[in-house]
Amino acid sequence: QSVLTQPPSVSAAPGQKVTISCSGSSSNIRNNYVSWYQQLPGTAPKLLIYDNNERPSGIPDRFSGSKSGTSATLGITGLQTGDEADYYCGTWDSSLSAGVFGGGTKLTVL
Amino acid sequence: QVQLQESGPGLVKPSETLSLTCTVSGYSISSGYYWGWIRQPPGKGLEWIGSIYHSGSTNYNPSLKSRVTISVDTSKNQFSLKLSSVTAADTAVYYCARDTGYSSVLDPWGQGTLVTVSS
Repeated sequence: QSVLTQPPSVSAAPGQKVTISCSGSSSNIRNNYVSWYQQLPGTAPKLLIYDNNERPSGIPDRFSGSKSGTSATLGITGLQTGDEADYYCGTWDSSLSAGVFGGGTKLTVL
Repeated sequence: QVQLQESGPGLVKPSETLSLTCTVSGYSISSGYYWGWIRQPPGKGLEWIGSIYHSGSTNYNPSLKSRVTISVDTSKNQFSLKLSSVTAADTAVYYCARDTGYSSVLDPWGQGTLVTVSS
């Protein structure tokens, strides 16, 4: 099992909004920044959100992140078929002294 | 821009040592940051393996710590992964990435290399 918990899959129609949750604990999410990664089929993961809610250059503002307590959320608005991918949350775990990921969420744009 | 490229054997025999190298271009490892390894078994999620600072300080996943060694060669602008006593469970795509060192923000990533453990 992964240290961080994500739903295995989410789906929504084009143009709609979807949220993906990431649940952890005080040793990881509560006391560290959360990142989100997008992995398109057959490609390497790409940083989507860092420091809970910051977007790297080139990432559209349709993607947003938030954190509250021991949970974090990725939001995607104006869904496009090109957003179909696996999404992973990640952070540092201070008890493990190691990086940790969620199990990943597969987004389907119906 | 910063680019990372993994290299190494694509096939390793059980009980042997997996060895991979990540070559960094567009940034000098000596300038800072941590440098990390992540793997992804076929059809499964991401697993953080470990990271190294340019000075040589390391952090490892506790579940792999007894078998993992990450080293850095600043003269070649490379860092390497060694995983000993491999089994079929170590079959995965192995990625290298730059790690901010705080909250393990990984960016950018290499394209990944598939390593299969089989006799």
